[in-house]
Amino acid sequence: GAVVSQHPSRVICKSGTSVKIECRSLDFQATTMFWYRQFPKQSLMLMATSNEGSKATYEQGVEKDKFLINHASLTLSTLTVTSAHPEDSSFYICSARGAVHSSYNEQFFGPGTRLTVL
Amino acid sequence: GQNIDQPTEMTATEGAIVQINCTYQTSGFNGLFWYQQHAGEAPTFLSYNVLDGLEEKGRFSSFLSRSKGYSYLLLKELQMKDSASYLCAVNAGNNRKLIWGLGTSLAVNP
Repeated sequence: GAVVSQHPSRVICKSGTSVKIECRSLDFQATTMFWYRQFPKQSLMLMATSNEGSKATYEQGVEKDKFLINHASLTLSTLTVTSAHPEDSSFYICSARGAVHSSYNEQFFGPGTRLTVL
Repeated sequence: GQNIDQPTEMTATEGAIVQINCTYQTSGFNGLFWYQQHAGEAPTFLSYNVLDGLEEKGRFSSFLSRSKGYSYLLLKELQMKDSASYLCAVNAGNNRKLIWGLGTSLAVNP
């Protein structure tokens, strides 16, 4: 199957700082990337959908000025958590979908980034 | 509104068979996915159903009834490593995003 990487896998930062998370599709072109957040023992919560070269579409309740998403190329999307606070501590997961590799149009997930804000 | 229901927790014994149900009510339907997620890891794709019937893939099978808004994931010959959360997700339209259930946490006991 297609491979999606995320970097960093784990980050600890101080309150008020900004954190950038990268999501890369390694062997396919991702026309669409999704950013999710998952709190312990809860399901995935979609934050936003991004298509290459266009602005991300944010889900209701997600602050677009706080969670900046850039999908500059078909293999890279970034999520920047600006002015992070302890309540932003969570597991952030990206997924990608591309026309070629998606036999079932499924999303391929990155390994996730665990963010801890002190 | 969009709604997906699945049991919160299930327990089964190693070597047994378990069925995890998922019911959905969505504005549209363009396929249903099952994903497996181990604790602290990202979800991995298990199956996809868009037409009614049973799709078998090794120890895992998935069934869909569109008229009933119902799917199940069947796991046979359970192994300890099958202990995980199983997520049901529906593609409800053409915007390519998925509607996710809350997941079913399966514990396989020896």
